[in-house]
Amino acid sequence: QQPVQSPQAVILREGEDAVINCSSSKALYSVHWYRQKHGEAPVFLMILLKGGEQKGHEKISASFNEKKQQSSLYLTASQLSYSGTYFCGTEDFGNEKLTFGTGTRLTIIP
Amino acid sequence: NAGVTQTPKFQVLKTGQSMTLQCAQDMNHEYMSWYRQDPGMGLRLIHYSVGAGITDQGEVPNGYNVSRSTTEDFPLRLLSAAPSQTSVYFCASSYGAEAYEQYFGPGTRLTVT
Repeated sequence: QQPVQSPQAVILREGEDAVINCSSSKALYSVHWYRQKHGEAPVFLMILLKGGEQKGHEKISASFNEKKQQSSLYLTASQLSYSGTYFCGTEDFGNEKLTFGTGTRLTIIP
Repeated sequence: NAGVTQTPKFQVLKTGQSMTLQCAQDMNHEYMSWYRQDPGMGLRLIHYSVGAGITDQGEVPNGYNVSRSTTEDFPLRLLSAAPSQTSVYFCASSYGAEAYEQYFGPGTRLTVT
């Protein structure tokens, strides 16, 4: 079952902040975040693990609420380069599959 | 390193034809997978492999076959193409099965008429 992302789309002015949410009905082992620009492949942003360990290499932060099986991606002081579609992917325990949500389209305008 | 490569980039098939989408990686990754992406549906897992000789089904496996004879290659076969298989197909690889960054190939845009 796909995780649910919200909002489906958001438009921001450069410099504004955004939060993208991802929730699952299953107990999660990890949550992944990827960004995809139009016509390109998805690119890794971050992984959040049960227990709090966070692995990533972008200047974008995220949280993982294990009790609620929810994750949020925080983009602060947005830049034009942040535009794209953001996908969360979830892994549940004992399952070797990464299941993606339907995406959140982020548009940054000057 | 070339990373994850996919061929062809574009393909048009007639209903009932078969073809193989190629995927290769040069990072010595054990885990490889195939996704299809349709508007509004996100990325849906077709098949995956945790190592050479081992494959398993994802969410939408019907109409597709895979094999993994080497660590590097993971081809996806369409047995008898249908218009419903019109999509963009992405191959991905990662070091392991759980909680590892996935590297995506550039994608193959397939149209079935």
